[in-house]
Amino acid sequence: ELKVEQNPLFLSMQEGKNYTIYCNYSTTSDRLYWYRQDPGKSLESLFVLLSNGAVKQEGRLMASLDTKARLSTLHITAAVHDLSATYFCAVDMQYSGAGSYQLTFGKGTKLSVIP
Amino acid sequence: DAGVTQSPTHLIKTRGQQVTLRCSPKSGHDTVSWYQQALGQGPQFIFQYYEEEERQRGNFPDRFSGHQFPNYSSELNVNALLLGDSALYLCASSLPTGGRETQYFGPGTRLLVL
Repeated sequence: ELKVEQNPLFLSMQEGKNYTIYCNYSTTSDRLYWYRQDPGKSLESLFVLLSNGAVKQEGRLMASLDTKARLSTLHITAAVHDLSATYFCAVDMQYSGAGSYQLTFGKGTKLSVIP
Repeated sequence: DAGVTQSPTHLIKTRGQQVTLRCSPKSGHDTVSWYQQALGQGPQFIFQYYEEEERQRGNFPDRFSGHQFPNYSSELNVNALLLGDSALYLCASSLPTGGRETQYFGPGTRLLVL
C-alpha cells in the first residue's frame, strides 16, 4: 500500500523567513503533485513533477523531486501572509493493468505566515 | 471556460439515509474521480469513471457507488449513511490519459450526517 507522509503537519512562520515542507512516499512513482487548499475551499494545483531531478518554481514557491530517495520538497522563500494555506503532496500510482492511475495524498501541511 | 462544478454545496442528512452528489467536469475532460476529505485529512480516492464505467476504485465499501453519463457528468451515491461519512466530497476531472494528467478539483460538497 502506498503511503505518503508530509512533515511538518503544522508550520507557523514569520513573514520574510524561508522554510521547507517535506513529502516522503513509500513506493516507486515518477509523478508527484503539489496542491494548495484555502480554508473551506477546494484544491488548487500548484506543481506537477514528472521525473527525477525535476524542479519547478512559481513566485515564492519551489518544488523538487528525487525519485530515488522518494522525496519531494516544497521550499518557501521570504514567506508572505498570502501563502497561508494547507499544502498537500500527492503521488500517483498504477494499481491495475488497465493503465489507470489514482492519487494518494499526504495529510497536508497547514502553513500560517505571521506578520 | 467553466471549471469543475459540483452540487449541492452543502447537505445535511441523518443516519441511514441515502445521498446523491453531482459533478460536471471541466470542458474537454471526460475522466472524473471522486475523493472524500475528512476534516483535517488529505483527500482519499473513492473511484474514477471513464467512458461511463468505473475504471478504478479505492478502499471504500459498496455503499459508495457512482455513475457517469454520456455528457461526462457524474454522480456519487452513498447509501445507509453513517456518522463517519461526514466529510467534504471532491470531484476532479482530467483528460483521458489513464488519469495521469493533472486533476482539476471542484469546490466540493460538504456533507454532514447527524
